[in-house]
Amino acid sequence: GQQVMQIPQYQHVQEGEDFTTYCNSSTTLSNIQWYKQRPGGHPVFLIQLVKSGEVKKQKRLTFQFGEAKKNSSLHITATQTTDVGTYFCAGKWEYGNKLVFGAGTILRVKS
Amino acid sequence: DGGITQSPKYLFRKEGQNVTLSCEQNLNHDAMYWYRQDPGQGLRLIYYSQIVNDFQKGDIAEGYSVSREKKESFPLTVTSAQKNPTAFYLCASSIRAGLNTEAFFGQGTRLTVV
Repeated sequence: GQQVMQIPQYQHVQEGEDFTTYCNSSTTLSNIQWYKQRPGGHPVFLIQLVKSGEVKKQKRLTFQFGEAKKNSSLHITATQTTDVGTYFCAGKWEYGNKLVFGAGTILRVKS
Repeated sequence: DGGITQSPKYLFRKEGQNVTLSCEQNLNHDAMYWYRQDPGQGLRLIYYSQIVNDFQKGDIAEGYSVSREKKESFPLTVTSAQKNPTAFYLCASSIRAGLNTEAFFGQGTRLTVV
């Protein structure tokens, strides 16, 4: 079936350290989206990647889509306490309209 | 004020009872989705609808039912056949069900079976 695997499940970092979460699909994706869910909140859309090898930046966040369109990563430089939450990737495939989410990575930042 | 609204925020149900979760959007979106969130398992798709009067099963549809009689409404019924219904339920919508559309989420309903 269509699945997106996401690692790690948890990450605790010291404020100022970097953070990366990774997503993988066994089949080629059409696009991948990233969402952030604050504790007690709901997922909020961050960005969408569509092109092979695409890299997008939002301030301290860098998003990458692999050349084969099967993997993606989110990297946060110099984490801050406001970065805490769960980061989800979500994939779509060419045939079908489902948006399938990874299990998420919970980020905790120690100040 | 446009958005997607779920109600109620908290819901308690006795074992063996059916319960319906409400999801309304005024964004004029064609596609709507229901997800279930459990700790450590991310968001799992229950049902989705691409257009009015049409819906498809997601990955964990057993024990759930939906309807899409109006574009703005996509209620989810958790039936007594759902073996482990206690969870956080999230409704989402997107402008259409095509490839390059982001999903907007409601605030969620936390269902507890007592």
